[in-house]
Amino acid sequence: DAGVIQSPRHEVTEMGQEVTLRCKPISGHDYLFWYRQTMMRGLELLIYFNNNVPIDDSGMPEDRFSAKMPNASFSTLKIQPSEPRDSAVYFCAGGQGTGELFFGEGSRLTVL
Amino acid sequence: ELKVEQNPLFLSMQEEKNYTIYCNYSTTSDRLYWYRQDPGKSLESLFVLLSNGAVKQEGRLMASLDTKARLSTLHITAAVHDLSATYFCPGGSQGNLIFGKGTKLSVKP
Repeated sequence: DAGVIQSPRHEVTEMGQEVTLRCKPISGHDYLFWYRQTMMRGLELLIYFNNNVPIDDSGMPEDRFSAKMPNASFSTLKIQPSEPRDSAVYFCAGGQGTGELFFGEGSRLTVL
Repeated sequence: ELKVEQNPLFLSMQEEKNYTIYCNYSTTSDRLYWYRQDPGKSLESLFVLLSNGAVKQEGRLMASLDTKARLSTLHITAAVHDLSATYFCPGGSQGNLIFGKGTKLSVKP
């Protein structure tokens, strides 16, 4: 298995633009998590899904952030409009219910 | 809400010496994990600790969990340069894994 696949790996955009981050989890993992990592705030859980259904989105910073999981093999995290303070590494992670998570390589977002 | 406190946050280690890093939890966590992150890289799962008294070992690393004390430790035996990384010990239930700030280890010859 190729592991959790995230794209793009790097994105540089200007403030106000829409950003879409993508994640393909490992087949068979029915939990999917989106995390954000910054130097200041560390790793923060944004939202997680179970069987494609959003369970807890209390970590989503504000309405500019939205996440979807239309099927078991694909999820997106969208930021519209983006702001410089959204600059971070966004990780997608999946698991099978044991709690152990398998992380993707991350998407490094820079908003100018 | 669970809070995870790691200490130290930074540790400069000498090769071949032994060290221990600590994770304290504000509330009882039914499971505990250790992850490693190399600079600019993803997080790699090292250990899963599911019960009080659990001990797991892999190479020079040994992790243990004391749920009564709300404490987990990661013991490093005879540190080597390859162990330089940031280590996290998130806790919590399935749906809400809470991470601490991490402990950045640096091994110097």
